[in-house]
Amino acid sequence: AQSVTQLGSHVSVSEGALVLLRCNYSSSVPPYLFWYVQYPNQGLQLLLKYTSAATLVKGINGFEAEFKKSETSFHLTKPSAHMSDAAEYFCAVSEIPSYDKVIFGPGTSLSVIP
Amino acid sequence: EPEVTQTPSHQVTQMGQEVILRCVPISNHLYFYWYRQILGQKVEFLVSFYNNEISEKSEIFDDQFSVERPDGSNFTLKIRSTKLEDSAMYFCASSEGAGSSYNEQFFGPGTRLTVL
Repeated sequence: AQSVTQLGSHVSVSEGALVLLRCNYSSSVPPYLFWYVQYPNQGLQLLLKYTSAATLVKGINGFEAEFKKSETSFHLTKPSAHMSDAAEYFCAVSEIPSYDKVIFGPGTSLSVIP
Repeated sequence: EPEVTQTPSHQVTQMGQEVILRCVPISNHLYFYWYRQILGQKVEFLVSFYNNEISEKSEIFDDQFSVERPDGSNFTLKIRSTKLEDSAMYFCASSEGAGSSYNEQFFGPGTRLTVL
C-alpha cells in the first residue's frame, strides 16, 4: 500500500537560506511522485513531478527534488528561500494500477523569516 | 490559462441537510476527482469519475456521497445527510487522461464546507 511521510510538520528558514523539505514514501512498485504547494486560502498547485525519467526534477519557482530509490525519498529543495515561498507543501504519490488516485502526505508548513 | 473552478467557496449547512458542491473542470478533460482536507489534516482522495461512472472510490466515499456530471460542464459532489465530521475543504480536480500513464491533475480552489 502506498503511503507518504513528511518529516517536520513545520519548518522555518531565514530569507535567502536553503529550503529542505523531507518526503519519504512506501510503494511496492516504482511510483510517480509529486510536490504540491498550497498558499493560504488557495487550491493545490503542482510544483514538480517525477514520472520515471530523470531522477533530479526541476519545478517552478526554483524548486527541485531528487528521487532516490535506495532511500525511498523525494526531498524538496530550493537554494535560497524567498518570503513568497511561505506556504503548505504536500508530497504525494501515485502508482499502478491507480495512477489517477493521488495519495498525499500530511504536509509541511514552511515559514520564511525576514 | 484554463482552470478548474468551484462554487461556492464556502458553504455552511445544518447537520442532516443535503449539500451539493459544484465544480467546472477544464473543458477538454475527461477524468474528474474529488478530494477532501479536514482542517489541519492531509488531503484525502474520495473518488474518481470517467465516462459517467465512478472508476475508483475510497473507504471515505460511503453511501452518503454521490457524484454526477449533470451536463457537459459541471461535476458535482452530493452529501445526502451531512454530519459534523463532513466539515472540510473539498477539492475538485480534473485531468486529460488517467490510468497507466501520468496525467496531471489540476485542482480547483476548493469549497470549505462547515456543518453546524
